[in-house]
Amino acid sequence: AQSVTQLDSQVPVFEEAPVELRCNYSSSVSVYLFWYVQYPNQGLQLLLKYLSGSTLVESINGFEAEFNKSQTSFHLRKPSVHISDTAEYFCAVSEGGSNYKLTFGKGTLLTVNP
Amino acid sequence: EPEVTQTPSHQVTQMGQEVILRCVPISNHLYFYWYRQILGQKVEFLVSFYNNEISEKSEIFDDQFSVERPDGSNFTLKIRSTKLEDSAMYFCASSEGGPLHFGNGTRLTVT
Repeated sequence: AQSVTQLDSQVPVFEEAPVELRCNYSSSVSVYLFWYVQYPNQGLQLLLKYLSGSTLVESINGFEAEFNKSQTSFHLRKPSVHISDTAEYFCAVSEGGSNYKLTFGKGTLLTVNP
Repeated sequence: EPEVTQTPSHQVTQMGQEVILRCVPISNHLYFYWYRQILGQKVEFLVSFYNNEISEKSEIFDDQFSVERPDGSNFTLKIRSTKLEDSAMYFCASSEGGPLHFGNGTRLTVT
């Protein structure tokens, strides 16, 4: 069975500061990894994904995550955050195949303060 | 960009009543899912649906739950006799065989 651990339930930072949201997973098979973002009163939006290939993946709004197989981690980073990045961030894992059933972490609430 | 749409956004019902949560997946998608998130807890998998049948379901998805694709566009989740602990945000998702696309959710409150 898979599991995902997001160690930080809340991360407050100041605008333009760097941020790292941590995610560790456990699985007995190869996995696909995802970060989803949930802005207030909205649904879950795919932020970025690792399926194969380069272990460093990037989103269009400056976030990146690196798949580290030896540490079973997929931490999310951004070098300089904006107030508009305030949201809940969910790490998720899938065993792949055609059924992308996801197992989610508990989420990390990122609050960016001015 | 195509979206998964869910209605209603908020549903209040009394314990023991039946509710139907509705979803319109993205039109060319073939895989459909329901997840739920109890306040303060993880987003949990309920069920996946493909080729007009359930492909996988979790322990949560007991006999009180059912899913249906009544026509070519809707995908519904029915809870037959709601309990207080069914109060949660319910998310529908669809996929064409890749990453999931989620709707905005229906907040179900059972009183």
